[in-house]
Amino acid sequence: DGGITQSPKYLFRKEGQNVTLSCEQNLNHDAMYWYRQDPGQGLRLIYYSQIVNDFQKGDIAEGYSVSREKKESFPLTVTSAQKNPTAFYLCASSFRTGTYEQYFGPGTRLTVT
Amino acid sequence: GDSVTQMEGPVTLSEEAFLTINCTYTATGYPSLFWYVQYPGEGLQLLLKATKADDKGSNKGFEATYRKETTSFHLEKGSVQVSDSAVYFCALSGADLAGGTSYGKLTFGQGTILTVHP
Repeated sequence: DGGITQSPKYLFRKEGQNVTLSCEQNLNHDAMYWYRQDPGQGLRLIYYSQIVNDFQKGDIAEGYSVSREKKESFPLTVTSAQKNPTAFYLCASSFRTGTYEQYFGPGTRLTVT
Repeated sequence: GDSVTQMEGPVTLSEEAFLTINCTYTATGYPSLFWYVQYPGEGLQLLLKATKADDKGSNKGFEATYRKETTSFHLEKGSVQVSDSAVYFCALSGADLAGGTSYGKLTFGQGTILTVHP
């Protein structure tokens, strides 16, 4: 079955540590996205990538980094510079043409204490 | 820039009641419009979409019509079920040019929590 996988589902880290969230898709999509969702709020775009080895900052990129070495994979690193990293992180992907509907993974809930 | 405004929530209904969740948007050009649904602790699922004016998207009893004259895309369902309890997001996809290529950035509304009681 085609889809997007994110791992792990829950992640706990101590303050000051970097942590990497995984996102893999087998939908043959070119574009991939990372969003952050806080309780009772909408989604905010962190980073996006249209093609391999290329990515752009979204609305809240500070304290985050990404890489896109393979079409199927778009890992997100939450660095110690991110002031409020505790949140629900969602990965999505889409084609680069057409109506651009995005398909989402199940999310990773990160808790930093 | 593009923006999406959804009706304030939460919305609480009894089973079999009629549902409307209002969504209006501001965008340049001719965006595509979407409704996504999020169940507790899960990612977002595409519920329905419409790509041009007067298109009606529909799925699982939900409907929404792309109204360009009122810049609206209201979500409706004639008879809700307890299983419809979730958060609903309205979104639009514009198109930007960046470095000579284009991509579809989604702009989301803030979400509307729907609770349906038996």
